[in-house]
Amino acid sequence: GDSVTQMEGPVTLSEEAFLTINCTYTATGYPSLFWYVQYPGEGLQLLLKATKADDKGSNKGFEATYRKETTSFHLEKGSVQVSDSAVYFCALSDQAGTALIFGKGTTLSVSS
Amino acid sequence: EAQVTQNPRYLITVTGKKLTVTCSQNMNHEYMSWYRQDPGLGLRQIYYSMNVEVTDKGDVPEGYKVSRKEKRNFPLILESPSPNQTSLYFCASSLFSGQIPTKNIQYFGAGTRLSVL
Repeated sequence: GDSVTQMEGPVTLSEEAFLTINCTYTATGYPSLFWYVQYPGEGLQLLLKATKADDKGSNKGFEATYRKETTSFHLEKGSVQVSDSAVYFCALSDQAGTALIFGKGTTLSVSS
Repeated sequence: EAQVTQNPRYLITVTGKKLTVTCSQNMNHEYMSWYRQDPGLGLRQIYYSMNVEVTDKGDVPEGYKVSRKEKRNFPLILESPSPNQTSLYFCASSLFSGQIPTKNIQYFGAGTRLSVL
């Protein structure tokens, strides 16, 4: 079945450091890919999405490119801030289109 | 303001005592869904609903029930809670409108943290 694998955390960075969180997926067909972010005590919010190969999603300085040849959707940000501290989830839309399949989440902690 | 509202936010209960977690959305979304989040497992879908009176099982439906009598509400019912249902629960909704719902943006509630003793 469909699945998402993302790097285990926690990831600890200093402010202004470069961030990469790896995400790879297994799916049949052409799923849509998402990054969701969960701030402490809150629900998940969509960070960015991509719906087809080579699409680049971007938002708030974060970017991810849908790479079909490597089945990857890595999240990057050039300069993280303390306010980026959160849990990040990579997800895909399953083949039936009725569920999101989530990775286990990566906790990011940014210190000043 | 567009939102998905879950209640309660926190709940401690005992084994076997029936409970309901409510979920309401004000965006006129057709699709609604329940997930549970457990450490090291990410989020897993419990049930989903494509529209009023249309519900179906997700990956982990055992021990749960749902209903969709109105478009805006999608309550999660635990008839006889057990300790393995201790978890963080999220409700989500999105537009359907003939397209695949999970390709659309999912809006999540703030979560309900449930402890079953």
